[in-house]
Amino acid sequence: DVKVTQSSRYLVKRTGEKVFLECVQDMDHENMFWYRQDPGLGLRLIYFSYDVKMKEKGDIPEGYSVSREKKERFSLILESASTNQTSMYLCASNIGQAILQVSPLHFGNGTRLTVT
Amino acid sequence: AQSVTQLGSHVSVSEGALVLLRCNYSSSVPPYLFWYVQYPNQGLQLLLKYTSAATLVKGINGFEAEFKKSETSFHLTKPSAHMSDAAEYFCAVTLGEGYSTLTFGKGTMLLVSP
Repeated sequence: DVKVTQSSRYLVKRTGEKVFLECVQDMDHENMFWYRQDPGLGLRLIYFSYDVKMKEKGDIPEGYSVSREKKERFSLILESASTNQTSMYLCASNIGQAILQVSPLHFGNGTRLTVT
Repeated sequence: AQSVTQLGSHVSVSEGALVLLRCNYSSSVPPYLFWYVQYPNQGLQLLLKYTSAATLVKGINGFEAEFKKSETSFHLTKPSAHMSDAAEYFCAVTLGEGYSTLTFGKGTMLLVSP
C-alpha cells in the first residue's frame, strides 16, 4: 500500500520564520505535489515535481519554494512565513508522466500550519 | 485550461436516502475526471475516475458517477447513504495531456443524519 508521510501533523511558527514541510513517499513515484487546502477554496496547487531536482510552479507559488534532492522526498519551504500562509498543507504523489493523467494521487494526512 | 464547479458547499441527507453530489467541468479537450473523498483529519483518497472508457463509473463504497458530455457533468451518486459516508467530497479534472495537473473543485461536505 502506498504511503505518503508528512513529518508534522501540526506546526506553529512565528511571522518571518523559515519553515520546512517535509514529505516522503515509499512507492518510487516520479511525481510529487504540494497543495494547500483552505475552507471554501478547495485544494490549490503550489508546486509539483516530476523528477529529482525538477520543479514546476502550480497555481499559487508566491511565497513558497520547493526542493527535491531525492526521488522519495519533496520539501516545501516558506522562506519568510506570513499569517496568510496559515493553512492545511497536503502532499501527494503518483506514477510517472506517461500515465500522469489517469494515475490516482496518493495523499498524506496533511500538516496544519499556524503562523502567528 | 480546465475548471470544476461543485454545486453546494454542504449537502444534508438522512441515512438510507439517495446521495447526489453535483460536479460540472470546463475543459478545452476531452477530460479525465475524478472524485476524491476526505474523512476528518485525513488526506484525500480516490473514490472513482473517468478515463474515456465507460461513461458510468463505479467506485468504492457503493458510489458511482456518470460522465455526461452534453451537460459537461460528472455527478456522484449513491443509492443509500450510510453514516460513515459523512465526509468532504472533491471533484477534480485534468486535461490528460503532457504535464497537465489536477484541478480540484471547492468541495462538498456531506452530512448524514440518523
